[in-house]
Formats: sequence, C-alpha cells, structure tokens
Amino acid sequence: KAGVTQTPRYLIKTRGQQVTLSCSPISGHRSVSWYQQTPGQGLQFLFEYFSETQRNKGNFPGRFSGRQFSNSRSEMNVSTLELGDSALYLCASSWGQGLYEQYFGPGTRLTVT
Amino acid sequence: GQNIDQPTEMTATEGAIVQINCTYQTSGFNGLFWYQQHAGEAPTFLSYNVLDGLEEKGRFSSFLSRSKGYSYLLLKELQMKDSASYLCAVRERGGSYIPTFGRGTSLIVHP
Repeated sequence: KAGVTQTPRYLIKTRGQQVTLSCSPISGHRSVSWYQQTPGQGLQFLFEYFSETQRNKGNFPGRFSGRQFSNSRSEMNVSTLELGDSALYLCASSWGQGLYEQYFGPGTRLTVT
Repeated sequence: GQNIDQPTEMTATEGAIVQINCTYQTSGFNGLFWYQQHAGEAPTFLSYNVLDGLEEKGRFSSFLSRSKGYSYLLLKELQMKDSASYLCAVRERGGSYIPTFGRGTSLIVHP
C-alpha cells in the first residue's frame, strides 16, 4: 500500500507571498492532519480534516488554512508568508477521526526569504 | 493547555535496555502517543496508551500511569538503528482533539 505523499518536497518563497501544499493520504484513510515542525518549537498541530470538514484546530493564526476534497486529499494554504513560517510541514493520515494511529508523509520543507 | 517534559538526550549501548520517560500535565487526558523520528525523516507511530498499564509491541513497550501523569517508552535489545528522536504526545479530551508534542528525546546508541 502506498504511503502518504506530499508535494512539493521543497519550496522557497518570499515574504508576503502565499503558498499551497498538497497531501495525498494512504488509500482508505479519511482523516488528514497537518503539523508544523521547527527546531525552536518542535512539532505543532495545525488542524485535522475528516470527511471534508475541519474537525480540530491548533493554535495558529488565520493565515493558515486548509481543505479536504471528496477523495480525502488535502491542501494547506499559508497566506502573507512571514520569515517565521519557514519550517517542515508534515501531513499525517489515519483511517478515523480523532488523531489515532497516524502515518506521516515525508513533509514539505518551506523556506521563506 | 498541556505541559510535556521528556529528557533532551540519552545515550545507551547496543544490546542494552533504555527507558525514556515522559511526564505531562493536562486538564483532560485522552491518550498518549509515542513516535520515533530519524534525522531528516518523518515521525513513525510506535504506540498509543489510553488506559493505565504496559503495552508491549516487540522490542518496544510503553507504560502509562494517568494518576501520576507519567509514561515511559522501554526499548530492549537496542540496535544502532534505534538512534533517533522519540516524541511523546498527549491528546486532550473535549469537544476537539488537539495533540501536544514534547520536544523529543534524542537517543544515541553506540557500539
């Protein structure tokens, strides 16, 4: 069974721009969660989508948003990029809602200059 | 909110046993997870505890005491490939589920 895939793997953007990251979950998984990982803050939860609805949300500003499509694929958008948004963005999928056993993708390394 | 503490770094010898502790404070506990993360890679799920006691899975075991806000991950018969960061994460109970991750314990296994 194919794992979680994320595109692109690497991205360089300029302050003020916006970015969209994509995640395809493991086949049959309906929950997709997004995380931000930085050396300073560690791994932080952004949000979880299940059946195209945002179910849980972490403590991030409204510049961070996401959506999920009917095939469970998910996108995350960050608007008005700041230098502090430079991070590894990880997507994780699981079969059910509630953040149980999750399988992580390889991540998208975003650098904001 | 939650507060999760785990040691920053530990070292151990190949073939030995190591215990990585995690303490937490939360207003509504609803599960504790352990993940392994090798440098430059994504985290990999290791275990999930929601009730008190020991969960064993091969060379890895995880223990939980909800009354003490305490968990540990036990790694037996250490191998060089076990050198990685081990993340403890706690999920809060409530209308929503929000996991909080510890900063991770970097385990170095040497020959």
